[in-house]
Amino acid sequence: QVQLVQSGAEVKKPGASVKVSCKVSGYTLTELSMHWVRQAPGKGLEWMGGFDPEDGETIYAQKFQGRVTMTEDTSTDTAYMELSSLRSEDTAVYYCATDQLYYWGQGTLVTVSS
Amino acid sequence: SYELTQPPSVSVSPGQTARITCSGDALPKKYAYWYQQKSGQAPVLVIYEDSKRPSGIPERFSGSSSGTMATLTISGAQVEDEADYYCYSTDSSGNHSWVFGGGTKLTVL
Repeated sequence: QVQLVQSGAEVKKPGASVKVSCKVSGYTLTELSMHWVRQAPGKGLEWMGGFDPEDGETIYAQKFQGRVTMTEDTSTDTAYMELSSLRSEDTAVYYCATDQLYYWGQGTLVTVSS
Repeated sequence: SYELTQPPSVSVSPGQTARITCSGDALPKKYAYWYQQKSGQAPVLVIYEDSKRPSGIPERFSGSSSGTMATLTISGAQVEDEADYYCYSTDSSGNHSWVFGGGTKLTVL
């Protein structure tokens, strides 16, 4: 059974960056393909990007290209999602999930406010 | 950009069959996935690869796909099935990008 535990809530100012972590247990990160999804308050789910095993690279949604970076530390089985140039519209719950979005983290609330 | 279209809401009485549709041009070639999200909780996968049910998901949940439409069916819907449901798939352009439908609020009362 895979468990994903995310870092705690963050409050950031516009223009800043945020880095959310996702600790994997039950499997090693090398056995999984990680994705990131966000959900703004009262809105639907939005795929941000994830690792594509066919290409062997991380694919980002066009909307976030240039602003998001997804990385992994296999020594600690932790995945990271960093979003830069934050604006108020980035206020959302950010989720990590495994391939096919089979297993999900508990979510991390990121609030962007001046 | 690729889009998946879902009805905003579906309403049924307990014990009735609920059907939630998802339309997308690439669905004849690409799998659909379905997620249930209850208020304040992380989503849960209920159907993957069009019609497969993860372990622990009740048998009343089933999925199908035909042409450009995928359907999530809840046979004998229960009050506890009231939630938002999202379909998820990828387009066939080769850019390996994924997208969610807008979500459907299922009301069971």
